[in-house]
Amino acid sequence: DIQMTQSPSSLSASVGDRVTITCQASQDISNYLNWYQQKPGKAPKLLIYDASNLETGVPSRFSGSGSGTDFTFTISSLQPEDIATYYCQQYDNLITFGQGTRLEIK
Amino acid sequence: EVQLVESGGGLVQPGGSLRLSCAASGFTFSSYWIHWVRQAPGRGLVWVSRINSDGSITTYADSVKGRFTISRDNAKNTLYLQVNSLRAEDTAVYYCARGGLDYGGNSGVVDYWGQGTLVTVSS
Repeated sequence: DIQMTQSPSSLSASVGDRVTITCQASQDISNYLNWYQQKPGKAPKLLIYDASNLETGVPSRFSGSGSGTDFTFTISSLQPEDIATYYCQQYDNLITFGQGTRLEIK
Repeated sequence: EVQLVESGGGLVQPGGSLRLSCAASGFTFSSYWIHWVRQAPGRGLVWVSRINSDGSITTYADSVKGRFTISRDNAKNTLYLQVNSLRAEDTAVYYCARGGLDYGGNSGVVDYWGQGTLVTVSS
């Protein structure tokens, strides 16, 4: 099974800050990596697919990069509405999620 | 508009069973992989099972293998998850989620999710 190691588990940042979350796969997954945002009581929402592609309608302050085993998710300028938990997910072999990163406003 | 609406959750005793349903609309249901993903209270997302477009391929997480059965009725645009021999650790919100088109490769990007149905296993 492919394991996904996501860090940090929680993050506190100020409005306007650049925020970065990393995800490492236990084996090469090419670019089969997605990023989701989940707000309390809501279903996850797809933000980035195939490592670096912005889902339609998602603000351009969100971005993703990486391939193989190492991936990065970035919010270029944190907004209050970005408070949520973020998950990476691989789909190269079945599906595995990272542990999640809880993002808070400082 | 793509919609996925889960139902069938509830309170069940340990060892009990439930059948979860997911009604799909707004897309060609019979062409897509569909997944079940669950989330225990205050915990992260965990993939449970998947099924391909015609139901000929089903896969399960080790934690539910032999107890859960995924199926679909393409004529009714509905996905099912039969959950048997329930344990306390199965308590979670269960989401259905759309995967990719079934072209013979991997199950694709999970792009749309339902709002979930809560299963609580307790005596």
